[in-house]
Amino acid sequence: ETGVTQTPRHLVMGMTNKKSLKCEQHLGHNAMYWYKQSAKKPLELMFVYNFKEQTENNSVPSRFSPECPNSSHLFLHLHTLQPEDSALYLCASSPQRSGAEAFFGQGTRLTVV
Amino acid sequence: AQTVTQSQPEMSVQEAETVTLSCTYDTSENNYYLFWYKQPPSRQMILVIRQEAYKQQNATENRFSVNFQKAAKSFSLKISDSQLGDTAMYFCAFMKHAQGGSEKLVFGKGTKLTVNP
Repeated sequence: ETGVTQTPRHLVMGMTNKKSLKCEQHLGHNAMYWYKQSAKKPLELMFVYNFKEQTENNSVPSRFSPECPNSSHLFLHLHTLQPEDSALYLCASSPQRSGAEAFFGQGTRLTVV
Repeated sequence: AQTVTQSQPEMSVQEAETVTLSCTYDTSENNYYLFWYKQPPSRQMILVIRQEAYKQQNATENRFSVNFQKAAKSFSLKISDSQLGDTAMYFCAFMKHAQGGSEKLVFGKGTKLTVNP
């Protein structure tokens, strides 16, 4: 257990649905991240938040919409997704310190049908 | 931009034996950090070991050690006395140094390690 919790663990959604992924940490970290993990590809960084402010958007399509209401919670809102968006979505957090270890959640396995 | 390459998609080792996973990276940075993360079937990524580029001494954590060759941009992971619980995906990752802040991790594609009884 790393202290980062993601819900739900599994999600199946249609292309016209709207759903949200949730990430929560109570480790006192100020940086939070969304990564996408697809088969046979490196983990892809999607978004970075530092002190609730988005500091990086890695050219992610607008059908993915992040939200960070406070330093402990991070959401990823999903709408009109495509089948190729099916993947494992990982949330991570880290202290605001250079070289600090990132702590990961168990991920949400998303299937778009 | 930094890139991380893991040239071994899959490896296997017998229990109690030693195995080495390869990782090379490309960067123009002089100050950075390197990591090995483990992802077991439970999917949760867990830090195995961390190396600071300015330190010449190779990092060790119990049965895990690294061979860090800065000039060659190589960062291999050695697992000694392999255990069944070591079966997992192993990811090598790079993070550049940032003054007073956190930086993103750049990952390789991973090596799937299977420990056989």
